[in-house]
Amino acid sequence: QVQLVQSGAEVKKPGASVKVSCKASGYTFTSYGISWVRQAPGQGLEWMGWISAYNGNTNYAQKLQGRVTMTTDTSTSTAYMELRSLRSDDTAVYYCARDWEQQLVGTFDYWGQGTLVTVSS
Amino acid sequence: DIQMTQSPSSLSASVGDRVTITCQASQDISNYLNWYQQKPGKAPKLLIYDASNLETGVPSRFSGSGSGTDFTFTISSLQPEDIATYYCQQYDNLPAVTFGGGTKVEIK
Repeated sequence: QVQLVQSGAEVKKPGASVKVSCKASGYTFTSYGISWVRQAPGQGLEWMGWISAYNGNTNYAQKLQGRVTMTTDTSTSTAYMELRSLRSDDTAVYYCARDWEQQLVGTFDYWGQGTLVTVSS
Repeated sequence: DIQMTQSPSSLSASVGDRVTITCQASQDISNYLNWYQQKPGKAPKLLIYDASNLETGVPSRFSGSGSGTDFTFTISSLQPEDIATYYCQQYDNLPAVTFGGGTKVEIK
């Protein structure tokens, strides 16, 4: 069965960076894209960006351009999301989600369990 | 970016009631709209894609309709396990995917 398993919770200081992993199993990793979506405490969902697991092409949300980098390691079927220059308003649960196709379609059929990133001095 | 406005932001209904949630897009998005269910502490789950298509394995009491700017999500007979927050999401204006603000559904 399809599974996306994310790395554990992180606590970071303002200005630091965080890198969250998302290990996929149960399907051909390079046949789909991965999006990252975050959710601040008590708030709604915010799409952060997408990466093609096939060729590494990326699209990032405009507000995060320059601070976020998404990568994949096809040898381990793992996607990564790195966010730099962390601020307190980056405190959120970060989810990876499988997109329906190789290119960005914007329909997310499987999700990771979420990774809480807390930014606090 | 396209703005998605959901209403109401919360509702309380009895078991067996028909529940309706609306989602309005700030511009025409054709039928490029999905609905997700998120239970407390859990990841979202895809329920409806392309505005009206039921994802595999999702109970038939869930349905969606609409096109253009106005969309509706319905639970025909509310069950206790449907307690969750529901989100609409547009994917017309790629790569800018946007979600609605969510509707929290509670049991009266």
